[in-house]
Amino acid sequence: AQKVTQAQTEISVVEKEDVTLDCVYETRDTTYYLFWYKQPPSGELVFLIRRNSFDEQNEISGRYSWNFQKSTSSFNFTITASQVVDSAVYFCALTASYNTDKLIFGTGTRLQVFP
Amino acid sequence: EAGVAQSPRYKIIEKRQSVAFWCNPISGHATLYWYQQILGQGPKLLIQFQNNGVVDDSQLPKDRFSAERLKGVDSTLKIQPAKLEDSAVYLCASSLGLAGGLGTDTQYFGPGTRLTVL
Repeated sequence: AQKVTQAQTEISVVEKEDVTLDCVYETRDTTYYLFWYKQPPSGELVFLIRRNSFDEQNEISGRYSWNFQKSTSSFNFTITASQVVDSAVYFCALTASYNTDKLIFGTGTRLQVFP
Repeated sequence: EAGVAQSPRYKIIEKRQSVAFWCNPISGHATLYWYQQILGQGPKLLIQFQNNGVVDDSQLPKDRFSAERLKGVDSTLKIQPAKLEDSAVYLCASSLGLAGGLGTDTQYFGPGTRLTVL
């Protein structure tokens, strides 16, 4: 069965530090999609990235970067030069199967960035 | 472009009472989802609609939860009667639904309704 593991429950860093959030997934499908969402204190889940299983290229968007490695079933998220506004809970998610939009979420990693 | 709207934002009720949540998806989005997020956990899908038809309600506790999406736009989620363990944030999300539920459309979430059952 599909599963997403975010082993880091909470991470605290000081502003301008780099931080990596880990995500490990399990699936038997060869076609699947992975997502990262940010949940700030306001509660709304904000979409950050979607990556399909056939595209292992790393992606960079400003201070955010993602490292997808099928060999280790990992999809890690790095924030470079963290800022206080990055403080939030970050969720990694996986499509439940190749033919559905249903998402399986991890338990989230709470990131606190201190000034 | 307006995002997913939900109301109310907060609700406090006593156990055995009824409660209803409302969701208005992003304009033009055919697929609508209701998730339950218990404190400290990731969201869990309760029900998925494609237009006004149900695609997946396998994790909806049908003895007390019900949802409808009349006219394929707005949706309401109802709990009757509520239990203590229903205390959670109820998130609504929508996606374009171009693949009719068979693809990988990105889901966009609303702010959620925080329910407290006393």
